Amino acid sequence: GAVVSQHPSWVICKSGTSVKIECRSLDFQATTMFWYRQFPKQSLMLMATSNEGSKATYEQGVEKDKFLINHASLTLSTLTVTSAHPEDSSFYICSACRTDFKAVTLRGQGYWDHTEAFFGQGTRLTVV
Amino acid sequence: KNQVEQSPQSLIILEGKNCTLQCNYTVSPFSNLRWYKQDTGRGPVSLTIMTFSENTKSNGRYTATLDADTKQSSLHITASQLSDSASYICVVTPKYSSASKIIFGSGTRLSIRP
Repeated sequence: GAVVSQHPSWVICKSGTSVKIECRSLDFQATTMFWYRQFPKQSLMLMATSNEGSKATYEQGVEKDKFLINHASLTLSTLTVTSAHPEDSSFYICSACRTDFKAVTLRGQGYWDHTEAFFGQGTRLTVV
Repeated sequence: KNQVEQSPQSLIILEGKNCTLQCNYTVSPFSNLRWYKQDTGRGPVSLTIMTFSENTKSNGRYTATLDADTKQSSLHITASQLSDSASYICVVTPKYSSASKIIFGSGTRLSIRP
């Protein structure tokens, strides 16, 4: 099956520094990747949608200047946590979807049909 | 509002026993419904994926069922093993929606005891 690789698996950094996390789709092209954050014993929370060649779309409450997302190619998206603080310590997960664009809907517009989503292995960030 | 609710929140069973996890959704129409297994500290791994027209899908000891009329899905695990201890997440993708509208259930934390 398709593989999404996330690097690093874990990182410890000092408060005030920046950390970059990479997400790569290894055997398929992903025009869209997603970044999630997960606190202990909680479900995944979508932070932003990363679109290749354009600006990322952030969910409400997520600071775009703090969580910089770059999707420079069809196989790579990066999340940079800037000026990290201890409260940023969390588990960050990326995913990439295989998508098929359907040309026609009931309303006469095309839409993306996500046939499968593959997740990276996650990055445990600890800010000290 | 589109929602995906899972039950129970947590479950403890003895090794070798069977169990069934539930997922109720209000998303309609949907493109597909997926079950994922997430080990602690790891990313989710896909177990099964079903479209609207499918009733059941198996993957080894895992069998997912879908009832579109009642908007319910279940994941049945047969002859549980210690390695089945994990969180199981139900995910529904609405049809005709933007990419960010994939909806996650809160998951069921399953613990297998020897």
